[in-house]
Amino acid sequence: NAGVTQTPKFQVLKTGQSMTLQCAQDMNHEYMSWYRQDPGMGLRLIHYSVGAGITDQGEVPNGYNVSRSTTEDFPLRLLLAAPSQTSVYFCASRDRDDSPLHFGNGTRLTVT
Amino acid sequence: EDQVTQSPEALRLQEGESSSLNCSYTVSGLRGLFWYRQDPGKGPEFLFTLYSAGEEKEKERLKATLTKKESFLHITAPKPEDSATYLCAFTPPGGGNKLTFGTGTQLKVEL
Repeated sequence: NAGVTQTPKFQVLKTGQSMTLQCAQDMNHEYMSWYRQDPGMGLRLIHYSVGAGITDQGEVPNGYNVSRSTTEDFPLRLLLAAPSQTSVYFCASRDRDDSPLHFGNGTRLTVT
Repeated sequence: EDQVTQSPEALRLQEGESSSLNCSYTVSGLRGLFWYRQDPGKGPEFLFTLYSAGEEKEKERLKATLTKKESFLHITAPKPEDSATYLCAFTPPGGGNKLTFGTGTQLKVEL
């Protein structure tokens, strides 16, 4: 019973590098989303998707890209990493818009 | 702007000392109020959903309640394993995927 799986668990990048955070869910959920969690700020929505081929911006989308080619996968791309993107990133999914989110265990990213 | 505020920011309890965590929200007509538990290094784990004022949900030592302006998470006779950060979140009118989270209450239960 995997749920939401995120890889990698930890990553260190240099400023200007790019990378992709992976997220996969096996619950056949249509809704998927990416959040970042910073001390004192709570969880903030970066991007979300309501189904394959459909994505939209959340509260803090700048510097990040997403795509959704399958129901299962929702990768998050950092194009030109900046120190301000140092954070813990969580992927989550839900089966309808008033049901609870199911979270992965996060990726801790440090940009130096 | 729809907001959610949690208090206190941190709470220290002795084992067996009951207390309550507060989640106040400003949105009207919310479509769901959620409570999560988050352990260090882990993702938030779902606890409860409340949909309408007056609703209550219970699980072991935890009970969540909802009024028109706030939700409480009551912890009865807590144990050290209840130590975690507790988050509340809501889905605003119109729903969608934009769950808004509070900053959490960090609970520590000591022997």
